[in-house]
Amino acid sequence: GENVEQHPSTLSVQEGDSAVIKCTYSDSASNYFPWYKQELGKRPQLIIDIRSNVGEKKDQRIAVTLNKTAKHFSLHITETQPEDSAVYFCAASPDSSASKIIFGSGTRLSIRP
Amino acid sequence: SAVISQKPSRDICQRGTSLTIQCQVDSQVTMMFWYRQQPGQSLTLIATANQGSEATYESGFVIDKFPISRPNLTFSTLTVSNMSPEDSSIYLCSVYTGQAAYEQYFGPGTRLTVT
Repeated sequence: GENVEQHPSTLSVQEGDSAVIKCTYSDSASNYFPWYKQELGKRPQLIIDIRSNVGEKKDQRIAVTLNKTAKHFSLHITETQPEDSAVYFCAASPDSSASKIIFGSGTRLSIRP
Repeated sequence: SAVISQKPSRDICQRGTSLTIQCQVDSQVTMMFWYRQQPGQSLTLIATANQGSEATYESGFVIDKFPISRPNLTFSTLTVSNMSPEDSSIYLCSVYTGQAAYEQYFGPGTRLTVT
């Protein structure tokens, strides 16, 4: 089955700097890659996603890139702010209906003031 | 996005007992899922709750331990049976609306502590 690896497990950046989180997946049939943000004690929230027919997607300060050949995808957060501090999970959907998603292990992002 | 609620929000249970968690959605949804999130860990899919048929369980999860019901398109229950301290986790339901973006949204979770 699908296996999603995520790194780093923890990341600390200065406020205003950029943060990058990287993931790899194993199943070449995966075609949907969402990113979730989970603040302490709260539910995971979908922040951005990308389908396999595009290489990059941007939404204000966050962007996701996808390299299907290498089976890599990444989350980029620019101009980081204190409210970006959270755990971020990447995920991949291993079947064509995109109904089941497999999560990475998570990255705890801390923004230093 | 769908509005999802779960009951209870938290519970403390004794080992050997069972707890049933409810998930309610404010609209009809095609797919409902149950996840477990152990402390400090990622989300692990337990099963897909299918309306009108038995749930589909992931490797490592069995129906006797985690029976699931899905009586209609807006409601599902997950029971954690014969609990042990290792079952202490947050249990979350999620829904897939079936719309173009394949987006999944999560309920607020049920924090279970087994003593």
